Amino acid sequence: EDQVTQSPEALRLQEGESSSLNCSYTVSGLRGLFWYRQDPGKGPEFLFTLYSAGEEKEKERLKATLTKKESFLHITAPKPEDSATYLCAVQAGAGTASKLTFGTGTRLQVTL
Amino acid sequence: GAVVSQHPSRVICKSGTSVKIECRSLDFQATTMFWYRQFPKQSLMLMATSNEGSKATYEQGVEKDKFLINHASLTLSTLTVTSAHPEDSSFYICSASLPYEQYFGPGTRLTVT
Repeated sequence: EDQVTQSPEALRLQEGESSSLNCSYTVSGLRGLFWYRQDPGKGPEFLFTLYSAGEEKEKERLKATLTKKESFLHITAPKPEDSATYLCAVQAGAGTASKLTFGTGTRLQVTL
Repeated sequence: GAVVSQHPSRVICKSGTSVKIECRSLDFQATTMFWYRQFPKQSLMLMATSNEGSKATYEQGVEKDKFLINHASLTLSTLTVTSAHPEDSSFYICSASLPYEQYFGPGTRLTVT
């Protein structure tokens, strides 16, 4: 059974204080690891897909990396508008449209 | 990025009635759509996989006769919650799949009184 574990559960940062979120996974035949951002009462917003160990992707203040067992979402100099829940999900199995298994998320709060 | 819409965004219904939620991919065609449920402060739990032109595949523990899914076209999937009860109150989210990417709708808040 595919498993995704995210840590920490909650994180409070001051504006400008960089940090990393962790996503550990166990899956048979990883096809992709996804990062999403979710604001309260809204659907998840797509951030990145990573496919193989060693891959890195960046978007503004966010950088995602992938190893064979975990992924990190690095947040550089965060701003209050980066406050949200960040979700990690893995996709396994045949086909590029196969289902995602989500972790429980990291609730990030960035204060002034 | 690709856009997925859901309607309605909020619905309140009485116990015993049925509610239909629509999920549309606005600027792309999706042969596969997914339906998730999310309880407060919890992550997304997959309910079912909806494939255009065929029967949906339900996850273990999800009642297929209670949560009816129809994927009538490449841009529309519907979820009908039949004979809703208060325990069905939740945040329902759909996603539409492109190769290697999944895009989510804004969600539907269902409250059963």
